[in-house]
Amino acid sequence: ETGVTQTPRHLVMGMTNKKSLKCEQHLGHNAMYWYKQSAKKPLELMFVYNFKEQTENNSVPSRFSPECPNSSHLFLHLHTLQPEDSALYLCASSQVSRAGNTIYFGEGSWLTVV
Amino acid sequence: TQLLEQSPQFLSIQEGENLTVYCNSSSVFSSLQWYRQEPGEGPVLLVTVVTGGEVKKLKRLTFQFGDARKDSSLHITAAQPGDTGLYLCAGEAGGTSYGKLTFGQGTILTVHP
Repeated sequence: ETGVTQTPRHLVMGMTNKKSLKCEQHLGHNAMYWYKQSAKKPLELMFVYNFKEQTENNSVPSRFSPECPNSSHLFLHLHTLQPEDSALYLCASSQVSRAGNTIYFGEGSWLTVV
Repeated sequence: TQLLEQSPQFLSIQEGENLTVYCNSSSVFSSLQWYRQEPGEGPVLLVTVVTGGEVKKLKRLTFQFGDARKDSSLHITAAQPGDTGLYLCAGEAGGTSYGKLTFGQGTILTVHP
């Protein structure tokens, strides 16, 4: 239990569906992240929210739409995805400060696009 | 763009053997983190190193941060089957890049009984 909870753990969706991934952190952190993990590729940072403001959008296609209503919750809205978007999507949180930044990951949401 | 080269990509050893995983970059990092990930789960933080030359020990695992803060190593002594998993290093650049980690490709370790 890392204090970062992701739901659902597994999701299968068609290319015309709209679905959302949810993340909640119970650590009192001020930053939240979405990462994508695909086979044989390094973890890719998708979005960063710092104090609820999006500070990073790593050239992610618009079919992925993040939402951060407060510092504890983060969503990733998905629509008209492609099969190559199938991957493990990891949410993470951290307390960003000049003293360092240790990131804690959730268990991930396995997404399969059919 | 900062890159972290992690090696080896795959490591298959027998129980009781020692091993070292390397993480190298041409860039300087303000901190470097090591994670272990099991299939179907998210990465779990093992250690964070922040000072050049720093050595941290976690039971049979020894982590070292290079003097120039460009590289790091993870050494496991007397590996056990329970050490099997994906090991990831990740560096944070600091400055205006707080919170932005660059990950290595990972090392898949298999320890056979």
